[in-house]
Amino acid sequence: GAGVSQSPSNKVTEKGKDVELRCDPISGHTALYWYRQSLGQGLEFLIYFQGNSAPDKSGLPSDRFSAERTGGSVSTLTIQRTQQEDSAVYLCASSFGSQQAHSPLHFGNGTRLTVT
Amino acid sequence: GDSVTQMEGPVTLSEEAFLTINCTYTATGYPSLFWYVQYPGEGLQLLLKATKADDKGSNKGFEATYRKETTSFHLEKGSVQVSDSAVYFCALRGGGADGLTFGKGTHLIIQP
Repeated sequence: GAGVSQSPSNKVTEKGKDVELRCDPISGHTALYWYRQSLGQGLEFLIYFQGNSAPDKSGLPSDRFSAERTGGSVSTLTIQRTQQEDSAVYLCASSFGSQQAHSPLHFGNGTRLTVT
Repeated sequence: GDSVTQMEGPVTLSEEAFLTINCTYTATGYPSLFWYVQYPGEGLQLLLKATKADDKGSNKGFEATYRKETTSFHLEKGSVQVSDSAVYFCALRGGGADGLTFGKGTHLIIQP
């Protein structure tokens, strides 16, 4: 597509429920990134994929968070047993190859998650 | 590890004022440097970039020069408009290229 697409744009869920957030990167981009933006916390790196593999999972806040990418394209970020502190905007970005330092990341508009 | 420090806001200016948002970085190797802008309710958009020392990135009247000697990448605009009100993020992408390291963002408010 023309840009990075994320769905849903907004998600309200009850504490303890599981949620899935979807990211559809720009066609041809092999690298995909997830960030979290919390009020007053700036941008927090969560995980990145090069193709279907995730070399660095160190940013995931807890074992309730997981992510996968299939076919080198769409990625899903899953949060199990959501907690109120998970409320944030989850941003996805894609780029040409994670080893290409000159290549900028292109961001989607994010999914605003609210845990009640 | 890599880090980016930028002035925290909010920064409030009048329309047509001169803008500077300071950004300094710490990185190993030779990173690429970026400024992103986030308008209310939207995702991050790339504003400009520079990939080597003394490069100047420019877009929409904004400029920033990659200064290796001072490890800085300050954002400037000669005459700001109300529509420039947004949050601005300075970021670097290092040689390991695991993604971007961001500063905390600067909230810019332009008053008519």
